[in-house]
Amino acid sequence: EAGVAQSPRYKIIEKRQSVAFWCNPISGHATLYWYQQILGQGPKLLIQFQNNGVVDDSQLPKDRFSAERLKGVDSTLKIQPAKLEDSAVYLCASSPQGAGETQYFGPGTRLLVL
Amino acid sequence: AQSVAQPEDQVNVAEGNPLTVKCTYSVSGNPYLFWYVQYPNRGLQFLLKYITGDNLVKGSYGFEAEFNKSQTSFHLKKPSALVSDSALYFCAGRTGRRALTFGSGTRLQVQP
Repeated sequence: EAGVAQSPRYKIIEKRQSVAFWCNPISGHATLYWYQQILGQGPKLLIQFQNNGVVDDSQLPKDRFSAERLKGVDSTLKIQPAKLEDSAVYLCASSPQGAGETQYFGPGTRLLVL
Repeated sequence: AQSVAQPEDQVNVAEGNPLTVKCTYSVSGNPYLFWYVQYPNRGLQFLLKYITGDNLVKGSYGFEAEFNKSQTSFHLKKPSALVSDSALYFCAGRTGRRALTFGSGTRLQVQP
């Protein structure tokens, strides 16, 4: 079974530029998550989708971050404009629908904002 | 509000010795608790989880964890550490279908 796919793996941009990350979850997984992991910290949720609907985006900085999951499969996370403090690893995870289900993580996209 | 704490930034252990990585949680309702491992430049790999039932949970690579409701703890253990176990370990918790709340991580260093 293929795992969660993410691209690109690395991205370097200058502040105020825009960037987009892509995630393809495990086939059949209804729930998709985007987490931000700043160096030295645990991942923090940005947004959670159930199929193509948003379940939780309370910690998403909506003035600069946006995400979509068209057709309830793959997802795109965008940052516009980027700030220095956005430098982090962006992790995508997916899980089957249901309480207590395991979340499986992709390899992440490492973003450096200069 | 949910929170997960990992009180140790780093744990050092000699190869062949038992290891323990500590985790305490504050989660309302019935918690689901997880351990993940992260190797450099890689995503998080699932090790084990507690949902309900037996308090001792066995997972991948010989790891196990004990759920202790009275102490609100979920410590990760392994009877005999390997050098290849050296990595960053994260404890995480959730309730229902919510996203995971992670601890800050513990770096495990196993010396040969």
